[in-house]
Amino acid sequence: DADVTQTPRNRITKTGKRIMLECSQTKGHDRMYWYRQDPGLGLRLIYYSFDVKDINKGEISDGYSVSRQAQAKFSLSLESAIPNQTALYFCATSDIVGEAFFGQGTRLTVV
Amino acid sequence: AQRVTQPEKLLSVFKGAPVELKCNYSYSGSPELFWYVQYSRQRLQLLLRHISRESIKGFTADLNKGETSFHLKKPFAQEEDSAMYYCALGPYNNNDMRFGAGTRLTVKP
Repeated sequence: DADVTQTPRNRITKTGKRIMLECSQTKGHDRMYWYRQDPGLGLRLIYYSFDVKDINKGEISDGYSVSRQAQAKFSLSLESAIPNQTALYFCATSDIVGEAFFGQGTRLTVV
Repeated sequence: AQRVTQPEKLLSVFKGAPVELKCNYSYSGSPELFWYVQYSRQRLQLLLRHISRESIKGFTADLNKGETSFHLKKPFAQEEDSAMYYCALGPYNNNDMRFGAGTRLTVKP
């Protein structure tokens, strides 16, 4: 089984809809991250969490929100999806030492 | 603010040629730097980190604090090295983990 699991793997949604991407991990790590990947822009940090009570904005948090339901679960929400949020989204975890473990990604298309 | 710059979006070399993927960083503290690789249809995975000073799959990277660089090198590229490579600045001291824009390496036969 994968250490970091993202659901769904693919999603097409309409402009204005609310959508939630979920991430769960079995690594036992406190730190979790959400990134989006766009061609030519690489990985950009949306939100990160160092523990259940700690949520921080990343570089591009506008239009997104997160929820850390448990140590193992970190969800990303788009309250009102827009087309420029079409991207590949990655969840990752790490311990304080630093190596990150990634999910397989969620391909989101907003039409 | 911490920042990672990878100046080359695309890099193409022939099999057997040396390859160098550039990475520069901006960070006021003591950096923890990584290289991650993403092969086609696979998830990102760690290639190497500066603190371990290892050679993985023939790749090495040396931290140069004077030049604030962490370039990835391999003396003889192989076709299976074709992938997307990301340089990353790691999460010490309650900092988040930042990635560069990535370099897509293509090794031609």
